[in-house]
Amino acid sequence: KAGVTQTPRYLIKTRGQQVTLSCSPISGHRSVSWYQQTPGQGLQFLFEYFSETQRNKGNFPGRFSGRQFSNSRSEMNVSTLELGDSALYLCASSFITGNYEQFFGPGTRLTVL
Amino acid sequence: DQQVKQNSPSLSVQEGRISILNCDYTNSMFDYFLWYKKYPAEGPTFLISISSIKDKNEDGRFTVFLNKSAKHLSLHIVPSQPGDSAVYFCAASEGNNAGNMLTFGGGTRLMVKP
Repeated sequence: KAGVTQTPRYLIKTRGQQVTLSCSPISGHRSVSWYQQTPGQGLQFLFEYFSETQRNKGNFPGRFSGRQFSNSRSEMNVSTLELGDSALYLCASSFITGNYEQFFGPGTRLTVL
Repeated sequence: DQQVKQNSPSLSVQEGRISILNCDYTNSMFDYFLWYKKYPAEGPTFLISISSIKDKNEDGRFTVFLNKSAKHLSLHIVPSQPGDSAVYFCAASEGNNAGNMLTFGGGTRLMVKP
């Protein structure tokens, strides 16, 4: 069974631009969560989507948004990029929501110049 | 306010010996705990999990122990192998109402020497 895939793997943007990252979950998984990893803050939860609905949202500004499609694929968008948005963005999929193992993709490395 | 803490940033053990990685939490609403292993430039790999109704869970060389009264969990790797060298993260979830929202510790870098 194929794992979680994320595209693109690397991205370079400049301040003020916007970016869209994509995540394809493991086949049959309906929950997709997004995390941000930085050296200073570690791994932090952004949001979770389950059956096309946002289930939970972490403590991030409104510039960070996401959505999920009927095939469970998910996208996250960051608008008006700031230097501090440079991070590894990880997507995780799970069969269902709530106390269930999550499997992570390889991540998208975003660099904001 | 860190709700999940891994107080040892690094740990070095000899191949074949036991590795013990520790994790403490402060949020009493956490009721599901997971351990992940991460190599550089890769996403975390799920290792093992434990529900708060248990105090121990085993999977091959990996065993997780949960002490709810102390709000402490540990991951034991026996025997340790050089391929286990990676950063290990513990994570916690508040249960069904929180969906799949995980709170991660800061990680412990494990180095297994041949």
